[in-house]
Amino acid sequence: QSALTQPASVSGSPGQSITISCTGTSSDVGGYNFVSWYQQHPGRAPKLMIYDVSNRPSGVSNRFSGSKSGNTASLTISGLQAEDEADYYCSSYTSGSTRHVVFGGGTKLTVL
Amino acid sequence: QVQLVESGGGVVQPGRSLRLSCAASGFTFSSYAMHWVRQAPGKGLEWVAVILYDGSNKYYADSVKGRFTISRDNSKNTLYLQMNSLRDDDSAVYYCARDVGCCFTPGGHFDYWGQGTLVTVSS
Repeated sequence: QSALTQPASVSGSPGQSITISCTGTSSDVGGYNFVSWYQQHPGRAPKLMIYDVSNRPSGVSNRFSGSKSGNTASLTISGLQAEDEADYYCSSYTSGSTRHVVFGGGTKLTVL
Repeated sequence: QVQLVESGGGVVQPGRSLRLSCAASGFTFSSYAMHWVRQAPGKGLEWVAVILYDGSNKYYADSVKGRFTISRDNSKNTLYLQMNSLRDDDSAVYYCARDVGCCFTPGGHFDYWGQGTLVTVSS
């Protein structure tokens, strides 16, 4: 049950766009369209931002978008705002030897 | 509104046991699969276990298999995590989280999370 691979950190200026990658294998990201992205501010519970690769829950800004190509999923945040500064985690369903969920290691987004 | 409230965390010695609870309200608890996810201090998220809406099936991370047991009481709208043979690396904030569906076939999106309960394993 290896973790998905995310960059440790990304940064951008207000108004810019950034993309966070999430690389897995054909057993998880590449094999299913069940990739999610979560935002976590310090001391808070995670918040679902994207599910099923590219769907946004009600109430999540359309500045957040998701996509997938092969074994790599991506989260793009456009029009960066100060409140976007947080940790972001991807996750994927995986079957492997048994059904489970695997998370990425997390990416710290800094808004300069 | 949907609320998940964890309880039962604390300081426990290695090798001992602890039971966490998650009280759910604001939705039909018996219709959703439920998960436990943990986060060690300063570290990332780690999925722990899932139980289907009716308790018929449970799945675990390799790191806790054989030591932890997830269960639910739909009559009490409560999710549990029985943790036995605790180790230092089990120290974490434990979150309960609601799946968007019932049956994890497949799935694993968590649309609501509790605020977490801290478990510290230390002698």
